[in-house]
Amino acid sequence: GEEVAQTPKHLVRGEGQKAKLYCAPIKGHSYVFWYQQVLKNEFKFLISFQNENVFDETGMPKERFSAKCLPNSPCSLEIQATKLEDSAVYFCASSQSNSRKEQYFGPGTRLTVT
Amino acid sequence: DQQVKQNSPSLSVQEGRISILNCDYTNSMFDYFLWYKKYPAEGPTFLISISSIKDKNEDGRFTVFLNKSAKHLSLHIVPSQPGDSAVYFCAAEVRGNKLVFGAGTILRVKS
Repeated sequence: GEEVAQTPKHLVRGEGQKAKLYCAPIKGHSYVFWYQQVLKNEFKFLISFQNENVFDETGMPKERFSAKCLPNSPCSLEIQATKLEDSAVYFCASSQSNSRKEQYFGPGTRLTVT
Repeated sequence: DQQVKQNSPSLSVQEGRISILNCDYTNSMFDYFLWYKKYPAEGPTFLISISSIKDKNEDGRFTVFLNKSAKHLSLHIVPSQPGDSAVYFCAAEVRGNKLVFGAGTILRVKS
């Protein structure tokens, strides 16, 4: 598609439950990024992929967070055993290549952990 | 540590005048800078970017200036329009393409 698509728009989970978020990058884009916006404006990088390969995972909390980008499937970000502090808006972005550096963002998934 | 700083939390400008949003950075390894605009409950929208080898890039009403020696960049919007009212984020690219964002500046354009 022409836009980055993210589902669901909103997700509510009880503490300890699993949460799974999905992202379909723009067609033809090779790079996918996940960011977490916790406070009103602060963006935190989580992980990036080049096609289906992890490119940079330095921002990922290793214990409970995992992500995948498999061929012919939306990318996913999964949080096992959610905590209250995981409440945030999760944005997915995609970019065309290493030389075309502009990242295009989806509308985000708002995760609320109660 | 905050590598990208937007020191003005908000800016108010009259319609038709120039809006100037500022951004400072500390990491000399950044080689690409971007500005995004964000409305509530939406994702950031890419506006304009600049490579570290340039000092100016222009696209319509938007111009970005980069001063590498001062580690400073600015976004100029002229003329400002009420629809420009949004939160503006400065971002810098680190090796590996991840973006480091500033905290944002709320721009209000008054008609």
